[in-house]
Amino acid sequence: GDSVTQMEGPVTLSEEAFLTINCTYTATGYPSLFWYVQYPGEGLQLLLKATKADDKGSNKGFEATYRKETTSFHLEKGSVQVSDSAVYFCALGNQGGKLIFGQGTELSVKP
Amino acid sequence: GAGVSQSPRYKVAKRGQDVALRCDPISGHVSLFWYQQALGQGPEFLTYFQNEAQLDKSGLPSDRFFAERPEGSVSTLKIQRTQQEDSAVYLCASSSGGTGSGSPLHFGNGTRLTVT
Repeated sequence: GDSVTQMEGPVTLSEEAFLTINCTYTATGYPSLFWYVQYPGEGLQLLLKATKADDKGSNKGFEATYRKETTSFHLEKGSVQVSDSAVYFCALGNQGGKLIFGQGTELSVKP
Repeated sequence: GAGVSQSPRYKVAKRGQDVALRCDPISGHVSLFWYQQALGQGPEFLTYFQNEAQLDKSGLPSDRFFAERPEGSVSTLKIQRTQQEDSAVYLCASSSGGTGSGSPLHFGNGTRLTVT
């Protein structure tokens, strides 16, 4: 069945460091891919999405490119801030409409 | 503007008790999803409604779990005879589009259920 695997956390970075959180997927068909973020004490929020191969999703300085050849959707940000500390979830959306999530990666950014 | 609202925020139940968790989706949203999130894990799909119709309940872990959305708006997830393994955060999400529309999901803050 469809699945998502993302790198384990926690990831601890200093402010202004470069961030990569790896995400790979297994799916039949052509899923949409998403990154959701969960800030402390808040609900899941959509961060960015890509709906087809080679699409790049971007938001708040984060970006991820849908790579069909490597079945990946890695999240990157050039310069992280303390306010980016959160748990990040990679997810795929299949034809059934439901999302399948990875296990989440906790990011902690230190000043 | 109102987002997805879930109540209660926290629920403690003794093993064997029945619980009911409520979700108020964003007004007018067609699709409603329930997810279960265990500690340190990603959310796992439970069930999906389009308006009042429950189109997918493949993720419900046992027949103790039951969900309804009788008027196509508010939804209730009921768990009968709770067990310790039911302890988790239960998330509700809604979206304006139907299946495959690509409309983003809007999540509530969840109900944290602890079964003692």
